Amino acid sequence: QQQVKQSPQSLIVQKGGIPIINCAYENTAFDYFPWYQQFPGKGPALLIAIRPDVSEKKEGRFTISFNKSAKQFSLHIMDSQPGDSATYFCAASGASGTYKYIFGTGTRLKVLA
Amino acid sequence: DAGVIQSPRHEVTEMGQEVTLRCKPISGHDYLFWYRQTMMRGLELLIYFNNNVPIDDSGMPEDRFSAKMPNASFSTLKIQPSEPRDSAVYFCASSLAGASYNEQFFGPGTRLTVL
Repeated sequence: QQQVKQSPQSLIVQKGGIPIINCAYENTAFDYFPWYQQFPGKGPALLIAIRPDVSEKKEGRFTISFNKSAKQFSLHIMDSQPGDSATYFCAASGASGTYKYIFGTGTRLKVLA
Repeated sequence: DAGVIQSPRHEVTEMGQEVTLRCKPISGHDYLFWYRQTMMRGLELLIYFNNNVPIDDSGMPEDRFSAKMPNASFSTLKIQPSEPRDSAVYFCASSLAGASYNEQFFGPGTRLTVL
């Protein structure tokens, strides 16, 4: 019940395409859903995050869609660029009042020029 | 702020040796997390501290792993004895309770290779 399932494992899109990464969770006590971006040789960094009281959040070209009833959320990258090539992790937090994250397994995105 | 600082950045050791990884969190942060990243298992939380006290060590793989946080600005993760399967990138992260979205700030990681 503590797992966060992420798909796909890898994704290749052309420049300008809209890659979509999906995550699903079981524990309804989670109340914070961040996405982290990781470039090779670097630590993950927060990209965008959402709480379950909204269904969508946009920051620049990045959008989180959240479906509370289905216990699913997804990341959309509009007008993707080669510089977006990275590994993306979804996560969930907040169950039992804890600050720890449960991370998904990651999606390796490659945007072709 | 310099961000989360980890040392060493790379460590190569032989099986059976003791390995100590070090972390300096962002000043003022009260949570510190140790993660291990591998291709097979992704990002795994090993242990986390709040105000220097270990809160959850359920992710520590076995007794060969230990972590300490003697003060608010320093933490260590020790592996003794090390084994080849411990080869991974180890990340330290810190956060501030009550901050926006409980954001965790990650260090650059330590790449550990056990031969």
